Amino acid sequence: QKEVEQDPGPLSVPEGAIVSLNCTYSNSAFQYFMWYRQYSRKGPELLMYTYSSGNKEDGRFTAQVDKSSKYISLFIRDSQPSDSATYLCAPREHGQNFVFGPGTRLSVLP
Amino acid sequence: DSGVTQTPKHLITATGQRVTLRCSPRSGDLSVYWYQQSLDQGLQFLIQYYNGEERAKGNILERFSAQQFPDLHSELNLSSLELGDSALYFCASSPGRGAFQYEQYFGPGTRLTVT
Repeated sequence: QKEVEQDPGPLSVPEGAIVSLNCTYSNSAFQYFMWYRQYSRKGPELLMYTYSSGNKEDGRFTAQVDKSSKYISLFIRDSQPSDSATYLCAPREHGQNFVFGPGTRLSVLP
Repeated sequence: DSGVTQTPKHLITATGQRVTLRCSPRSGDLSVYWYQQSLDQGLQFLIQYYNGEERAKGNILERFSAQQFPDLHSELNLSSLELGDSALYFCASSPGRGAFQYEQYFGPGTRLTVT
């Protein structure tokens, strides 16, 4: 079992839809959770950062962490074609580097 | 713009050759990371430097080496290149200290094509 797993997609949704992107992990010591967005052939950009369990909202984006299930989610409301990208989750444990998941490719159709 | 710069943007070279990729971290960041991303593949962590010293090593081939200089810029050297080394190479930097010491900011990447 890989340490961090994501459905590779592609996930195709119509413009305006609510998108749910998910990530599972195996290391119960992970405490910090990042989401990155990567446009095709570009460097990943930091999107959101959460610590431990719970929700964090930033504009149209909401990150949710369920440590009991080792499950991370990123919700995108009112999705736009400009949200079409690959989304990488990256958890880490205290004192260690982030571990990147393989990413989920999202396509928002106009 | 993340503040991380990488040169060159594109590199085309032949098998067996050696190339050097360069990275300048964000102002104030002490840590530099190198990643390889092949077509439609995930990010593969290669190596991390912190303030000039090697901090962590990932799946870096023996043909590859890196270093971080006193001015904190870093270079990734790839030698005896093979077709399979064709990929995007990303550099990232992080503060390396403080509350957000591990937050990584990525450069635009260098696209290496080995023919």
